[in-house]
Amino acid sequence: GENVEQHPSTLSVQEGDSAVIKCTYSDSASNYFPWYKQELGKRPQLIIDIRSNVGEKKDQRIAVTLNKTAKHFSLHITETQPEDSAVYFCAAETNDYKLSFGAGTTVTVRA
Amino acid sequence: NAGVMQNPRHLVRRRGQEARLRCSPMKGHSHVYWYRQLPEEGLKFMVYLQKENIIDESGMPKERFSAEFPKEGPSILRIQQVVRGDSAAYFCASSPAGQAHEQYFGPGTRLTVT
Repeated sequence: GENVEQHPSTLSVQEGDSAVIKCTYSDSASNYFPWYKQELGKRPQLIIDIRSNVGEKKDQRIAVTLNKTAKHFSLHITETQPEDSAVYFCAAETNDYKLSFGAGTTVTVRA
Repeated sequence: NAGVMQNPRHLVRRRGQEARLRCSPMKGHSHVYWYRQLPEEGLKFMVYLQKENIIDESGMPKERFSAEFPKEGPSILRIQQVVRGDSAAYFCASSPAGQAHEQYFGPGTRLTVT
């Protein structure tokens, strides 16, 4: 089955700096890669996604890149703010519905 | 449009008891997915259901766990004879028919087995 690895597990950045989270996946058939943000005790919320026919996608301060050849994708958050502090999960989809999640990255934005 | 609803939000069970977790999908969604999240870990796929059908239960433990999504009413994840290792947050997600990748998550049920 699909195996998704996510790094780093924790990330502390100064407010205003950028944060980058990287994920790799194993199943070359995966073609959809969402990113979820989960605040403490809350539900995971989809923040951005990318499909395999696209190399990069941007939404305001958040961007995601995908390298299908290398089987890795990354989340970039620019101009970080305290409300960006949360756990971020990457995921890869197989069989058109099964999401395999990374272990998560705890992001802390220092004021 | 109400989002995905789960109840109860918190559930405490003693070892050996049964736990029943409920999930009502978003209006218009006919597909339900259950995930388990252990402390400080990612979500693990358990089962994918459509109305009255289990499509993929490859992530379900072979014993004590079962899931259903009846024609009427919520989807139910049932854990029989709970053990301490079942303590986790259980999230369900739903999606519209034909758009299985657009999964919206509920608030989760936090199960504690004492």
